[in-house]
Amino acid sequence: KAGVTQTPRYLIKTRGQQVTLSCSPISGHRSVSWYQQTPGQGLQFLFEYFSETQRNKGNFPGRFSGRQFSNSRSEMNVSTLELGDSALYLCASSTTGIDTQYFGPGTRLTVL
Amino acid sequence: QQQVKQSPQSLIVQKGGISIINCAYENTAFDYFPWYQQFPGKGPALLIAIRPDVSEKKEGRFTISFNKSAKQFSLHIMDSQPGDSATYFCAASYSGAGSYQLTFGKGTKLSVIP
Repeated sequence: KAGVTQTPRYLIKTRGQQVTLSCSPISGHRSVSWYQQTPGQGLQFLFEYFSETQRNKGNFPGRFSGRQFSNSRSEMNVSTLELGDSALYLCASSTTGIDTQYFGPGTRLTVL
Repeated sequence: QQQVKQSPQSLIVQKGGISIINCAYENTAFDYFPWYQQFPGKGPALLIAIRPDVSEKKEGRFTISFNKSAKQFSLHIMDSQPGDSATYFCAASYSGAGSYQLTFGKGTKLSVIP
């Protein structure tokens, strides 16, 4: 099976812009979770989607949002970018959400 | 606040030696404890995971030891190899929310020298 894929792999934006990141889960996986990874804060949970519904959300401002499509693909959006949003954004998929999460390679976002 | 504290931040081990990474958690509701390995430029990959009804789990050279009363768990890498050089993250979660929301430790950068 193909693994979790994330596009784009690298992205450079300026403050105030918005960005959309995409994640394609492993075939058959219906749960998609997003995490932010920074040197200072480490890996932090953003939100999780299952069957197009957001089930859980981490402690991030409303500028961070996401959605999931009927084919389980997911997107996350960050509006009004800030310098502190520079990070590696990781997507993880699992069959049900309460089982092994498989991570993609991430999207490296740089905000200038 | 749910936290998972991981130590040490970095670890240098000779080839063939034992690498030990420790984690402590606060939330007694946690019921799933995975360890992830991350190489530069890659996403984390699951190494091994344990649930609190088991005190130890071994898979190849990797062993998790779990102490429920102390709220601590650790990863032992036996016969460490240069290819094991990576960053290791412990994590914890509970299934009560309907899905795992992994709370990660800050990571341990392991270097295995020949």
